[in-house]
Amino acid sequence: QKEVEQDPGPLSVPEGAIVSLNCTYSNSAFQYFMWYRQYSRKGPELLMYTYSSGNKEDGRFTAQVDKSSKYISLFIRDSQPSDSATYLCALYPGGGSYIPTFGRGTSLIVHP
Amino acid sequence: NAGVTQTPKFQVLKTGQSMTLQCAQDMNHNSMYWYRQDPGMGLRLIYYSASEGTTDKGEVPNGYNVSRLNKREFSLRLESAAPSQTSVYFCASSEGPFLGVSTGELFFGEGSRLTVL
Repeated sequence: QKEVEQDPGPLSVPEGAIVSLNCTYSNSAFQYFMWYRQYSRKGPELLMYTYSSGNKEDGRFTAQVDKSSKYISLFIRDSQPSDSATYLCALYPGGGSYIPTFGRGTSLIVHP
Repeated sequence: NAGVTQTPKFQVLKTGQSMTLQCAQDMNHNSMYWYRQDPGMGLRLIYYSASEGTTDKGEVPNGYNVSRLNKREFSLRLESAAPSQTSVYFCASSEGPFLGVSTGELFFGEGSRLTVL
């Protein structure tokens, strides 16, 4: 079992839908959580990061972390075709480590 | 500001040939990384360099070598290419140790698509 599990999809939704993307992990040492977005034929770019359990909101995006359940989510409200991309979760252990463990990525398609 | 620049963007090799992927960053970052991305496998770390002068193996180092030429540049060499090394390679950089001041964000290049026949 990989340390970080992420459903690869693809996830296909209509424009305007609420999207939920998720990762589960097994190692309780992970303390910091990020979501990267990767458009086709491009490198990943940081979308959101959070250090603690709970919710963090940025515009249409909400990152949610539940450390007790080892479960992280990214919600996208009012999804747009421009949100079509692959979304990767990245988890960092504490203690100053700068090497993240990535999920496999979920491919999202938002159709008009 | 170019960020992270990788060359070449595309390359086709025959089995047994060698080549070097070049990476340079202009953000004065301490740490640099090489990943490969394959369908269904996500990003896998090949090698990383915490700071100038140091390199360490990642998850899938076999068949590769790296050189941290200076603070800006980090190259990846395939000495004898194999079809299993057909992949998209990404170079990334970050400020370095995750001290709470730095977010630990990785900045990626646009990728180098390598095909080994």
